[in-house]
Parts: sequence; structure tokens; C-alpha cells
Amino acid sequence: NAGVTQTPKFRVLKTGQSMTLLCAQDMNHEYMYWYRQDPGMGLRLIHYSVGEGTTAKGEVPDGYNVSRLKKQNFLLGLESAAPSQTSVYFCASSYMANSPLHFGNGTRLTVT
Amino acid sequence: EDKVVQSPLSLVVHEGDTVTLNCSYEVTNFRSLLWYKQEKKAPTFLFMLTSSGIEKKSGRLSSILDKKELSSILNITATQTGDSAIYLCAVDSRNTGKLIFGQGTTLQVKP
Repeated sequence: NAGVTQTPKFRVLKTGQSMTLLCAQDMNHEYMYWYRQDPGMGLRLIHYSVGEGTTAKGEVPDGYNVSRLKKQNFLLGLESAAPSQTSVYFCASSYMANSPLHFGNGTRLTVT
Repeated sequence: EDKVVQSPLSLVVHEGDTVTLNCSYEVTNFRSLLWYKQEKKAPTFLFMLTSSGIEKKSGRLSSILDKKELSSILNITATQTGDSAIYLCAVDSRNTGKLIFGQGTTLQVKP
């Protein structure tokens, strides 16, 4: 009963490096989301997807790219990491737009 | 611009106390308001409130939606140390289909 799985759990990057965060869900959900969480700022939406092959920008999309090639996977890429991208990243999925989100356990990313 | 504001940002109480957490919103074409509890890792879903379901209760937790005041409260009675967490409020708009979260309220319950 995996739900939403994020990999990796932790990562340290140097400024300018690139990386990809992977999110996988086994609930056959259509909608998937990437949020970042910073102290005192709640969860802010980076990008989201309403189905396989689709992506859309959220509140804070700059510096990130996403892809949803398969329904169960949603990838978040950082092409050139910056210290401002130090954060905890959460992936979430939902059955449809007005359904509660199911969250992964997060990825703690530090950019030095 | 859609906006969700929670208050207070942090709260310290003792076991047995009752707490009320607030969430106010400015969202075009409101559809629903959701409450989540976040302990160490992933937020977990508590309640969803809509125009057709403005009050929800589960054990010691209850929540009410006030569509006129564009706000919601989350009440926790007889608090326990296990209630210590960040409580997140989020609002869904029909226009965007995206959940907008507030800053969260950090609750600490002392023995």
C-alpha cells in the first residue's frame, strides 16, 4: 500500500548543478502536484498536471521544469540549482480536481 | 490574486485545553476548503468543507465554514500531546482547480 512515493529523501547540491526528483503514485490518480514548503510560508504550488502528458504552472514555477510521461509518475527537474531552491519538496496526487490530496513524505533539498 | 491566511501562526497550550485555529480566504469562485495535519512528514487530510457541507466533526476535532465571512475555524477540544503538529488550511477554486495553502499554524501541546 505505497500511495505516493518520492525519491530521493535527501539531497545536497552545489549551485549550478542539476537534478530530478521523482514522484510515483499507485492509486491511478489523474492529478499530480509539486509543492515546496518553506518555514512560515506554507505549501506553495510549483507545477501540476491534470493527466498524462499535461503540465501547468503553479504559483512559483521559475527555475523548475516537470514532465508527466506516464500517468503514475511526475518528475520535477532543477536545471541549474540556486540556494533559493533550498526547501522541502512535496509531491501529491488526487483522483480529480476537488478531491483531497495524498502527499508523499517529502524530499529535503539543500543547495550550497 | 487568490490568498489564504491562517492565524495564529503558532500556539502553545497545555494538555486538556481547547484551541481554535482560524483560516480566512480570498478566492475567486470558491469550491471547497480543506484542513490538513502535518506532523513529521507528509500532511494528512482532516476535513473538506463545501457549500453543501459547512460543518464537519471527527472525535475531538471539528470545523465550520463561514461563507459569508470567507473563513473557517478548526476546533480541537481536550488537546493531547499527539495533537502537536502544523495545521494547514487550503482553498480550492473552480477557476483554477488548484489548492492554495495558507502559511500553517504550528500547535504545540505541552504535558
